[in-house]
Amino acid sequence: QSALTQPASLSGSPGQSIAISCTGTSSDVGGYNYVSWYQQHPGKAPKLMIYDVTKRPSGVSDRFSGSKSGNTASLTISGLQAEDEAYYYCSSYTSSSTLVFGGGTKLTVL
Amino acid sequence: QVQLVESGGGVVQPGRSLRLSCAATGFTFSSYGMHWVRQAPGKGLEWVAVIWYDGSNRYYADSVKGRFAISRDDSKNTLYLQMNSLRAEDTAVYHCARDIGTSNQYILDHWGQGTLVTVSS
Repeated sequence: QSALTQPASLSGSPGQSIAISCTGTSSDVGGYNYVSWYQQHPGKAPKLMIYDVTKRPSGVSDRFSGSKSGNTASLTISGLQAEDEAYYYCSSYTSSSTLVFGGGTKLTVL
Repeated sequence: QVQLVESGGGVVQPGRSLRLSCAATGFTFSSYGMHWVRQAPGKGLEWVAVIWYDGSNRYYADSVKGRFAISRDDSKNTLYLQMNSLRAEDTAVYHCARDIGTSNQYILDHWGQGTLVTVSS
């Protein structure tokens, strides 16, 4: 149950687009279309942003989108805004019927 | 509205036990799978355990297997985590979360604020 691999940090300017990668194996990310993304502001509970690789829950801005290629999933945030500054975590269902998270990415909006 | 409120955290000595509770309101608790996810101070999210909506299946992270047990009481709309043989590395904020997916989608759409467990002598 090794954690999925995410960049520790990323930054972007307001209005720019950024992509956060999430790399796993064929036993998790690559084997199932069950990747989710969560946003967490300091001191707050995580918030679901993307599920089933590409689907957005009601109420989540369409500036957030997800994709997957092979063992790597990605979260793209377009038109960066100050309130997007947060930690982002990916997760995936695994072949052991467990859930695994990525190590998290700290997004800074310059 | 959906609310999840954890309780039961505190300071406990290594090797001792603790039981966490998660009170659920605002939805039909018995229709949803539930998870425990923890976050050590200054660290990322770590999945702990899941129990399916009907209690038929329970799965655990390797780090807690054999020491922790997840359960639910649908009559009380409450999720539990029994933690035995606690170690210093179990120190974390423990969140409960609702799963809106089917059996293996594991989509956590609502989270509680968490309860802090500190394992220290």
